[in-house]
Amino acid sequence: EPEVTQTPSHQVTQMGQEVILRCVPISNHLYFYWYRQILGQKVEFLVSFYNNEISEKSEIFDDQFSVERPDGSNFTLKIRSTKLEDSAMYFCASSPRQGTYEQYFGPGTRLTVT
Amino acid sequence: GDSVTQMEGPVTLSEEAFLTINCTYTATGYPSLFWYVQYPGEGLQLLLKATKADDKGSNKGFEATYRKETTSFHLEKGSVQVSDSAVYFCALSTVTGGGNKLTFGTGTQLKVEL
Repeated sequence: EPEVTQTPSHQVTQMGQEVILRCVPISNHLYFYWYRQILGQKVEFLVSFYNNEISEKSEIFDDQFSVERPDGSNFTLKIRSTKLEDSAMYFCASSPRQGTYEQYFGPGTRLTVT
Repeated sequence: GDSVTQMEGPVTLSEEAFLTINCTYTATGYPSLFWYVQYPGEGLQLLLKATKADDKGSNKGFEATYRKETTSFHLEKGSVQVSDSAVYFCALSTVTGGGNKLTFGTGTQLKVEL
């Protein structure tokens, strides 16, 4: 069964450093998402991406964040200058289309900023 | 804005007990409703969904009915097993211009003991 994959599973970085989190969505899906979950808190929407552009973003997704689909298979989330409060589990998700279709989640990347 | 409220956990049950996890929502428009499950150390997996009023979603013995009049989507299972121990997230999705973001509740941890 096709699945969403994410790398790395755990990333440790120092405050102020740039990080890139990578995701490979399910191949025939068209909509891509990033969510994050700070330890012990709810899963929060960050951004949705369709047709090579951002379709919606949350207040969390400020200028420090960017997304890209560089080669038609990978979907990346970049944080330019990490802060301690960026420490969280980041989930990538994909969906074949919008509407009632469910999103399929990857296993997540745990980002630890020290 | 859209929101989801879940009962707080942890919920601790004995094996074969009946499970109910309450979920209510606030949304503009007509959302789709989902239950996702997160097993320890893993990502989010779709458990079941319902897309319109009075729909019943079911999977692996779990059920939830979309109740528009009470804006609820309570999760139930007649007989839980130790393997059901996980965190359960209620979520809603409304269609926007370029996708449909998920809005999650805070999650309810379920512990099932022998």
